[in-house]
Amino acid sequence: EPEVTQTPSHQVTQMGQEVILRCVPISNHLYFYWYRQILGQKVEFLVSFYNNEISEKSEIFDDQFSVERPDGSNFTLKIRSTKLEDSAMYFCASSDMGGTQYFGPGTRLLVL
Amino acid sequence: KNEVEQSPQNLTAQEEEFITINCSYSVGISALHWLQQHPGGGIVSLFMLSSGKKKHGRLIATINIQEKHSSLHITASHPRDSAVYICAVGLKAGNEKLTFGTGTRLTIIP
Repeated sequence: EPEVTQTPSHQVTQMGQEVILRCVPISNHLYFYWYRQILGQKVEFLVSFYNNEISEKSEIFDDQFSVERPDGSNFTLKIRSTKLEDSAMYFCASSDMGGTQYFGPGTRLLVL
Repeated sequence: KNEVEQSPQNLTAQEEEFITINCSYSVGISALHWLQQHPGGGIVSLFMLSSGKKKHGRLIATINIQEKHSSLHITASHPRDSAVYICAVGLKAGNEKLTFGTGTRLTIIP
C-alpha cells in the first residue's frame, strides 16, 4: 500500500541553524501539508500546498519557514534559523481529490 | 476559528468493553476526521465523514451536523486498540487544513 515517507526520523540541531525536513508524498496525490506537534500538545496546521504554490498557511508559518516541491516527488519544509520553540514532531501529509489525508511517520526535531 | 473539544481526555477500559469517544466543534464544517496516533507518534486516518455513519471492522463513526457532534465507537475492544484517538475538522469543501482536538488516550487492559 502506498505511504508517505519522511526523512530524517530524528534531527538534532543547534539554535540558529537551518534544517530541511523531507517528505515523499503518495505519488498520485495533489495536495500536500505540513503539521507539527509540540510534545504533549495537539497537532497544529502549518501550511498546505497545491499546484506548486502555498494554498494556506497558519500564523506559525512565518518568514523563517518555507516549503518547496523541488522535483515532482519530494516536498520539503525548511526552517531558516531554528529556535528552541521549534522543537516538535513535524508531520507531512498528502491527499487526493477524495480528501482523506495520509500522514507520514513524522520527523522529531530537537533544537538545542 | 473552530474549537474542537474531545471527551474524555483519558479512558481506561477492560478488554471487550464497548468504547465511546466524543468530539464537538463550534463552527460548521465540511468534513470531520477521526485519526489514531500510535505510541511511537505515527498518525493513521480512520474515517472521514460529513454526514451519517461509517463502519470499518470494529470501529464505527457517527456525526450529527445539526448538533456539531461526532462519536467514535469501538466494539469488542482489544489491547491493540490502545492509542490516542484524535478528532480533526476541515472547514472548506475539498482538501483543506485540519483543526485538531487534543485527543483521547485510550488504554485497554487485558
